[in-house]
Amino acid sequence: QVQLQESGPGLVKPSGSLSLTCEVSGASISSRNWWNWVRQSPGKGLEWIGEIYHSGSTNYNTSLKSRVTISLDKSSNHFSLELTSMTAADTAVYYCSRGGFGHFDSWGQGILVIVSS
Amino acid sequence: QSVLTQPPSASGTPGQRVTIPCSGSSSNIGSTYVYWYQQFPGTAPRVLIFRDDQRPSAVSDRFSGSKSGTSASLAISGLRAEDEADYYCASWDETMNGPVFGGGTKLTVL
Repeated sequence: QVQLQESGPGLVKPSGSLSLTCEVSGASISSRNWWNWVRQSPGKGLEWIGEIYHSGSTNYNTSLKSRVTISLDKSSNHFSLELTSMTAADTAVYYCSRGGFGHFDSWGQGILVIVSS
Repeated sequence: QSVLTQPPSASGTPGQRVTIPCSGSSSNIGSTYVYWYQQFPGTAPRVLIFRDDQRPSAVSDRFSGSKSGTSASLAISGLRAEDEADYYCASWDETMNGPVFGGGTKLTVL
């Protein structure tokens, strides 16, 4: 059974950058899957951030594309999210998940990231 | 504003059948699959329905999904107190080239 676990800072300063890692166990990120980041602002709905395929191909939400980078580390079996120029609007719970085309079959527990000075 | 439209709330009494609608367009629901997620406070979503009407083996058969044209719906029969949660629909959007979610429906069991 695949398990995903997010890690990273819980607090980021305005204009700073966020770096999160998703450790994957029970599956290889080199397998034919899409690996995603999804976020949820407090009290709000779900927002897809982007995805990366085992080959390294990426797709990003057009509204965030200029600020997002998702990468793979096959040697460590994890994938990462970098989001630059953070503002209060980026305060959210960030989830990593497996899946594609809207079908996310496994999720991490989520990590709350607050943007504040 | 979400690409897929859901009512913000729904309610029902124990034992009742409740339906949650999700409205989209020809670039998402009308041309690709719909997925439904259940989320309890403080936890990650879990998939309830995939590919319009398929149910993972671990999901109760009280949950069912359907789709017609550019709209979809999630039905919950034999409503139970434990079904009280937020429900989200999702689909791939060909125009946005990515998955999109509904705004979520908070289900209250009265």
